[in-house]
Amino acid sequence: DAGVIQSPRHEVTEMGQEVTLRCKPISGHDYLFWYRQTMMRGLELLIYFNNNVPIDDSGMPEDRFSAKMPNASFSTLKIQPSEPRDSAVYFCASSLYGSPLHFGNGTRLTVT
Amino acid sequence: TQLLEQSPQFLSIQEGENLTVYCNSSSVFSSLQWYRQEPGEGPVLLVTVVTGGEVKKLKRLTFQFGDARKDSSLHITAAQPGDTGLYLCAGARSGNTPLVFGKGTRLSVIA
Repeated sequence: DAGVIQSPRHEVTEMGQEVTLRCKPISGHDYLFWYRQTMMRGLELLIYFNNNVPIDDSGMPEDRFSAKMPNASFSTLKIQPSEPRDSAVYFCASSLYGSPLHFGNGTRLTVT
Repeated sequence: TQLLEQSPQFLSIQEGENLTVYCNSSSVFSSLQWYRQEPGEGPVLLVTVVTGGEVKKLKRLTFQFGDARKDSSLHITAAQPGDTGLYLCAGARSGNTPLVFGKGTRLSVIA
């Protein structure tokens, strides 16, 4: 298996632009998580899905952030409009219930 | 407030030295995991501990879960440059709740 695949690896955009991050989980995994990592705050859980249904989005910082999982093999995290404070590394992870998380290699987002 | 506090934040040691890093909380966890993260990559699981007092060994790495399941430690014997990375602890409050992560200990082992 190729593991969790995230795209793009790097994204540089200007403040106010829309940003879409993409994730393909490991086939067969029924949980998908979006995390954000910064030096100041570490790894923060933004939202997670079970069987494509959002379970807890309390970590989503603002209404500017939204996430979807239209099917078992694809999820997106969208920021609209983006702000410089959104600059971070965004990770997607997937798992089976009760099993360890498998992380992608992240998307490094820079908002200027 | 960080649910899981890791210490030290940074550690730089010479090859061959021993070290211990800590993960502490005031909350009880049903399980605790340790991950290692290298630059440009996602965290990779090292071990899961689930029983209070449990000790697990992975080659030169020894992991311990506190008796009260509120804290954990990672001890590395004879550190190697390949051990360099960010070590993260993560806890689950119950079997169906997502992991919360500490901020990590950034380890640098100098040859």
